[in-house]
Amino acid sequence: QVQLQESGPGLVKPSETLSLTCSVSFGSISGYYWSWIRQPPGKGLEWIGFIFYSGSTNYNPSLHSRVTMSVDMSKNQFSLNLSSVTAADTAVYYCARDVMASNYFDLWGQGALVTVSS
Amino acid sequence: EIVLTQSPGTLSLSPGERATLSCRASQNIGSTSLAWYQQKPAQAPRLLIYATSSRATGIPDRFTGSGSGTDFTLTIFRLEPEDFAVYYCQQHGRSPYTFGQGTKLESK
Repeated sequence: QVQLQESGPGLVKPSETLSLTCSVSFGSISGYYWSWIRQPPGKGLEWIGFIFYSGSTNYNPSLHSRVTMSVDMSKNQFSLNLSSVTAADTAVYYCARDVMASNYFDLWGQGALVTVSS
Repeated sequence: EIVLTQSPGTLSLSPGERATLSCRASQNIGSTSLAWYQQKPAQAPRLLIYATSSRATGIPDRFTGSGSGTDFTLTIFRLEPEDFAVYYCQQHGRSPYTFGQGTKLESK
């Protein structure tokens, strides 16, 4: 059974860059689109963007200028960088698998809480 | 960006009853571009329905999705205790892919 696991710092200072990695276990990263989705505490879900295993990307325009995603096929991982963070970026960040480019998400990581605070 | 509005915000029902959750889109999204997720406290969302009416793997048939255009419904027949959670709709037809604000289904 394919599993996703987010990892990265749980605390980031304002104006710095948030960096998270999603490790894919018991399955290959090849052939799929992989998304990042976030959820501020007590609030709803926001799609951040996706990356295809080949490296092509599609970012939410609301975050486009601050987001970079990358994929590491050798490690079966993909990553999210979000620059110039503020307290509004405090959220649980999920990585998720996009079903055959249909843009809904059938497999999710458990989520990683990232707090932006000095 | 397509805005999804869910109603009601909170729904209070008893086990065995039927739940009807609504999701309205700000633009026509056709008939095959809406998904529903269930989220329990401290858990990731779980896909229930995709393409408006197709159940995801392992989802019991008491969960039914319907609708087209701008109005969509998730119906849960014969509520079980484990169904009490927050439900989100998501449109997956046009980027950016957006979610509704959620409906909390609570036990009366």
